[in-house]
Amino acid sequence: ETGVTQSPTHLIKTRGQQVTLRCSSQSGHNTVSWYQQALGQGPQFIFQYYREEENGRGNFPPRFSGLQFPNYSSELNVNALELDDSALYLCASSWDRGINIQYFGAGTRLSVL
Amino acid sequence: QQPVQSPQAVILREGEDAVINCSSSKALYSVHWYRQKHGEAPVFLMILLKGGEQKGHEKISASFNEKKQQSSLYLTASQLSYSGTYFCGTESLRGLGGGADGLTFGKGTHLIIQP
Repeated sequence: ETGVTQSPTHLIKTRGQQVTLRCSSQSGHNTVSWYQQALGQGPQFIFQYYREEENGRGNFPPRFSGLQFPNYSSELNVNALELDDSALYLCASSWDRGINIQYFGAGTRLSVL
Repeated sequence: QQPVQSPQAVILREGEDAVINCSSSKALYSVHWYRQKHGEAPVFLMILLKGGEQKGHEKISASFNEKKQQSSLYLTASQLSYSGTYFCGTESLRGLGGGADGLTFGKGTHLIIQP
């Protein structure tokens, strides 16, 4: 087990709603990355936070936003949910923003109806 | 552009060997290998860096050909616990002052080990 915890484990929302997913990073890690994993696909990078600042972003629209707190835990917020947002959302923490091993949580399964 | 993994799926008997390949069209700085079992978090297996450095913590080996932008993961004497989906995640060379691009993952290779 990696020590990265995510909540909730499962979530069902309807189209147009907003959702907040949470991630507690592994002790000693100051960097959190978020990924979206559609069924049968590899994880796709959403963004990374390093010491409470966004440090990089993938090809996702602005309705995907995030926060990192002083204890390095993080939130992923998605506004105006669409059916295609249904996926497993993974959080990964690492000890720095460079080339480092990323330790993943078990994810939050989001279903948008 | 995501790396291409091959094969897409493989079925082995316990004790047999397997090779999983990962190929990218971009110049790579690092290749990361993960295994994911159904409903679980991806588990780190190996990181290979430009220049030859490797880090791993299981009885699994890997290679990284920087010139060809290719990596291979070698699973020898496979065990039932090796079953799962294997992903390679690549990190490309960054420009000066660039932020993180995250890992770009392939579609995965499904490995089934039978007794």
